Amino acid sequence: AQSVSQHNHHVILSEAASLELGCNYSYGGTVNLFWYVQYPGQHLQLLLKYFSGDPLVKGIKGFEAEFIKSKFSFNLRKPSVQWSDTAEYFCAVKGSGGYQKVTFGTGTKLQVIP
Amino acid sequence: GAGVSQSPSNKVTEKGKDVELRCDPISGHTALYWYRQSLGQGLEFLIYFQGNSAPDKSGLPSDRFSAERTGGSVSTLTIQRTQQEDSAVYLCASSFMGGENQPQHFGDGTRLSIL
Repeated sequence: AQSVSQHNHHVILSEAASLELGCNYSYGGTVNLFWYVQYPGQHLQLLLKYFSGDPLVKGIKGFEAEFIKSKFSFNLRKPSVQWSDTAEYFCAVKGSGGYQKVTFGTGTKLQVIP
Repeated sequence: GAGVSQSPSNKVTEKGKDVELRCDPISGHTALYWYRQSLGQGLEFLIYFQGNSAPDKSGLPSDRFSAERTGGSVSTLTIQRTQQEDSAVYLCASSFMGGENQPQHFGDGTRLSIL
């Protein structure tokens, strides 16, 4: 069975600090990987996704994530965070091929202090 | 276009009552998911519908929980004999599974409070 681990449950950063949120997955095959974000009072929305090709993917609002197959990781990064990045971030994995369900991590709450 | 619609947006009920939560997915989306988001618990998978295939019910926490998807579109999540631990935000998501890499689109959720 597939699983996702997000080790950072709550992260507090000052504006302009760099961000890296960890995501590790467990799955015995080719995967599709996602990061979703939930801003306060809003619904979950897609931040970025990886399914093949360049392991460094870029998403909205300056976010990027790198798929490292050997480490089963898909960490989210941003060089300089803003107060508006305060949100909860969820990593998700889905087995590639066929109709397979998506499994989410437990989420990381990011608080950016002005 | 219209997104995923969930109703009601808020539901307060007494312990022991049954509740029904509704999800209208995006038109044409064949995959539909229910999740539960509890404080401190993250996003918990409940059930997954894909087209006409048998649903994946592996995430339902007890036999008090059930879900249906009629005509491959609207879905209803039913919780019988509600308990206080059922209090959470119940999220529905849909995706177009014609291409395997389609992301999920989420509704705003139903906030369920059991008194």
